[in-house]
Amino acid sequence: QVQLQESGPGLVKPSETLSLTCTVSGYSISSGYYWGWIRQPPGKGLEWIGSIFHSGSTYYNPSLKSRVTLSVDTSKNQFSLRLSSVTAADTAVYYCASGSSTSCPTAYWGQGTLVTVSS
Amino acid sequence: QTVVTQEPSLTVSPGGTVTLTCASSTGAVTSGYYPNWFQQKPGQAPRALIYSTSNKHSWTPARFSGSLLGGKAALTLSGVQPEDEAEYYCLLYYGGGWVFGGGTKLTVL
Repeated sequence: QVQLQESGPGLVKPSETLSLTCTVSGYSISSGYYWGWIRQPPGKGLEWIGSIFHSGSTYYNPSLKSRVTLSVDTSKNQFSLRLSSVTAADTAVYYCASGSSTSCPTAYWGQGTLVTVSS
Repeated sequence: QTVVTQEPSLTVSPGGTVTLTCASSTGAVTSGYYPNWFQQKPGQAPRALIYSTSNKHSWTPARFSGSLLGGKAALTLSGVQPEDEAEYYCLLYYGGGWVFGGGTKLTVL
């Protein structure tokens, strides 16, 4: 079974870049699957940020596309999120997730990590 | 901006049946939107329940089922248990990206 674990700073200053990594166990990233990021502001709903296919193809939320970069490191079996020019509105629990196909993109979820944007 | 709409809240009695729906601002939801459903309890990560309209994961309880109903995606809970009280989210595919619904808070009372 695929297991996911997010890691990264819990506090980021406004205008800086948020960087998170998701470490995958139980499955090799290079074998396939979609690898994605979802966030949830405190007390609010889920927002899909973007997904990257094992081949490197990326899919981004249009509202975040100009600030988001996803990447995969197959040597470490990890994938990463970078979100630039953050503001307080980017404060949220960030989840990494994965799934086998377009029809099932987020079967497996990490536990989530809270990132606060504050000076 | 595509909007996916769910009922904000629903209440059901233990042992009862309830249907949650998921509508798209672009029109009728079809199988090509590959509806997915998730359950989230307070303080926990979401858990996937249904994918591609009606397919269950190996861990999905039998009382959960997915379908298309009147131009919307639907999640039906039959024989509701107290532990089913949670927030439920749908996810739709829009050809290169996905959009979550706003969530339905299900109360079992």
